[in-house]
Amino acid sequence: DADVTQTPGNRITKTGKRIMLECSQTKGHDRMYWYRQDPGLGLRLIYYSFDVKDINKGEISDGYSVSRQAQAKFSLSLESAIPNQTALYFCATSNGQGNTEAFFGQGTRLTVV
Amino acid sequence: TQLLEQSPQFLSIQEGENLTVYCNSSSVFSSLQWYRQEPGEGPVLLVTVVTGGEVKKLKRLTFQFGDARKDSSLHITAAQPGDTGLYLCAYDRGSTLGRLYFGRGTQLTVWP
Repeated sequence: DADVTQTPGNRITKTGKRIMLECSQTKGHDRMYWYRQDPGLGLRLIYYSFDVKDINKGEISDGYSVSRQAQAKFSLSLESAIPNQTALYFCATSNGQGNTEAFFGQGTRLTVV
Repeated sequence: TQLLEQSPQFLSIQEGENLTVYCNSSSVFSSLQWYRQEPGEGPVLLVTVVTGGEVKKLKRLTFQFGDARKDSSLHITAAQPGDTGLYLCAYDRGSTLGRLYFGRGTQLTVWP
């Protein structure tokens, strides 16, 4: 089983719909992240969380919200999806010790039509 | 503002050729990381460079951190189709901040 699991793997949704992307991890890490990847733009940080009570905005948080339900679970919501939120979304974890290695899920490919 | 500039953006070569990709910045970093992302997968860490001038080797891949800790390079010797992927450099803003920021990546394609 993967250490970082994202659901769903693929999703097509309509403009204006609410959608939630879920992430769970078995690595026991405190730190979890949501990134968005667009062609030619690399990975951009949406939100990150250092523990259950800590939520922080990243570079591009507008239009997104998150919930850290437990140490192992971090979900990303699009309250009212719009077409320019079509992208590949990645969840990642790290232990925050020293030189932080990030462990990524397989990604969620989201298309907003 | 993109703190990490990666070049080239795209690179397409034949099997057996050598190549170098770059990660540059005007800022000084305590460390830099290199990740490789294969199609349909999330990025996977290849190496972390920490000391200015440091050279690390991973089979046919050689990573170097600039003396001033502002830039890094990745050299691949005798590239193989299995090296195809997106190569990303990233910096860690420190354990107290714990945010990894990524460059835009170099998309490498190695043709048989």
